[in-house]
Amino acid sequence: QMQLQESGPGLVKPSGTLSLTCGVSGGSISSSNWWSWVRQPPGKGLEWIGEIYHSGTTHYNPSLKSRVTISVDKSNNYFSLKVSSVTAADTAVYYCARGEIFGVLKGWGQGTLVTVSS
Amino acid sequence: DIQMTQSPSSLSASVGDKVTITCRASQSINSYLNWYQQKPGKAPKLLIYAASSLQSGVPSRFSGSGSGTDFTLTISSLQPDDFATYYCQQSYNMPRTFGQGTKVEIK
Repeated sequence: QMQLQESGPGLVKPSGTLSLTCGVSGGSISSSNWWSWVRQPPGKGLEWIGEIYHSGTTHYNPSLKSRVTISVDKSNNYFSLKVSSVTAADTAVYYCARGEIFGVLKGWGQGTLVTVSS
Repeated sequence: DIQMTQSPSSLSASVGDKVTITCRASQSINSYLNWYQQKPGKAPKLLIYAASSLQSGVPSRFSGSGSGTDFTLTISSLQPDDFATYYCQQSYNMPRTFGQGTKVEIK
């Protein structure tokens, strides 16, 4: 059973860059999965950020595309999220997830709260 | 983007009740519709995928139906563990989009 675990700073300054990693255990990041990021502002719903395949192919939400980069590190079995030029609107719980065929998110990390504040 | 609209936004029900949540897509998504359950402070959990396929380990009181633009999640007999927020998600195309959620509360 693959497990996912997010890690990264819980506080980011406005105009800075949010950086998170998602460690994958119990399986290989080179397996046939799409590795995804989803966020949830406090008290609100879920927003899909984007996904990456181990080949490096990515898909991004157009609403965030200009500020988001998702990358994969096959050697260390993790994938990463960077969001640049952050504002208070980027304050959210960020989840990493394992996507299978047809975009079904079958496994999720526990989530990590990132607050954008000076 | 495909818009996903859930109804109702919240509902109150008693243990043992049958509960139905609907999800409507702004265009046809065939059967590329998934349902997730989220409890406070926890990550979402997959319940149903491809509109009607029950995820392994999910109780059989949960079922899903629909195709095209209209979908339904049904809980046949509500249990105490089922009080949570439920989200639909389309995986027909990019970007993946979620409904706004339906909160199921205790009556």
